[in-house]
Amino acid sequence: AQSVSQHNHHVILSEAASLELGCNYSYGGTVNLFWYVQYPGQHLQLLLKYFSGDPLVKGIKGFEAEFIKSKFSFNLRKPSVQWSDTAEYFCAVNTGNQFYFGTGTSLTVIP
Amino acid sequence: DAGVTQSPTHLIKTRGQQVTLRCSPKSGHDTVSWYQQALGQGPQFIFQYYEEEERQRGNFPDRFSGHQFPNYSSELNVNALLLGDSALYLCASSLGTVQETQYFGPGTRLLVL
Repeated sequence: AQSVSQHNHHVILSEAASLELGCNYSYGGTVNLFWYVQYPGQHLQLLLKYFSGDPLVKGIKGFEAEFIKSKFSFNLRKPSVQWSDTAEYFCAVNTGNQFYFGTGTSLTVIP
Repeated sequence: DAGVTQSPTHLIKTRGQQVTLRCSPKSGHDTVSWYQQALGQGPQFIFQYYEEEERQRGNFPDRFSGHQFPNYSSELNVNALLLGDSALYLCASSLGTVQETQYFGPGTRLLVL
């Protein structure tokens, strides 16, 4: 069965620190990849997505992610986090008409 | 432009009862997907509706059923509720049959006692 793994369950960073959240998936075919964010008390919002082309994609609020096909990975990065980035981050994979989500990474940014 | 809306926001039921949750997709969207998100977990795909038919289904029992109406709104029905059905139920809408971005609603929080 297909799966999405997010290895970091809880991450605590100080403001201005760099962020990298890991995401790996297990599916050998063509995939579309997403990162969603869920701020406290809010619903899931799209952060960025990869369908094809340049494997380095840029999203909102300074986030970016790199698709490495050989590693089945789609890691999320941000060079300098802010307190307002405190949220739950979900990696998701679409293999066709089904979405698979990871279990999420809780990020806490300390001012 | 209204986003995805869901009703009710919260619901309390007892074991064995039946529940219906409702979703209105984002304007212009014709595809609706339903997810179950247990506490501390990522969303789990239940099924997807397109053109009023269930197109894909995740690993959920037949107690979970749905419907899509001609105006693209959708209902999720759960029969014979179990304690384990307590979760946040999310609706997401998208456009067409390709792998388009899904837009999520705020969810319905279901508590089964």
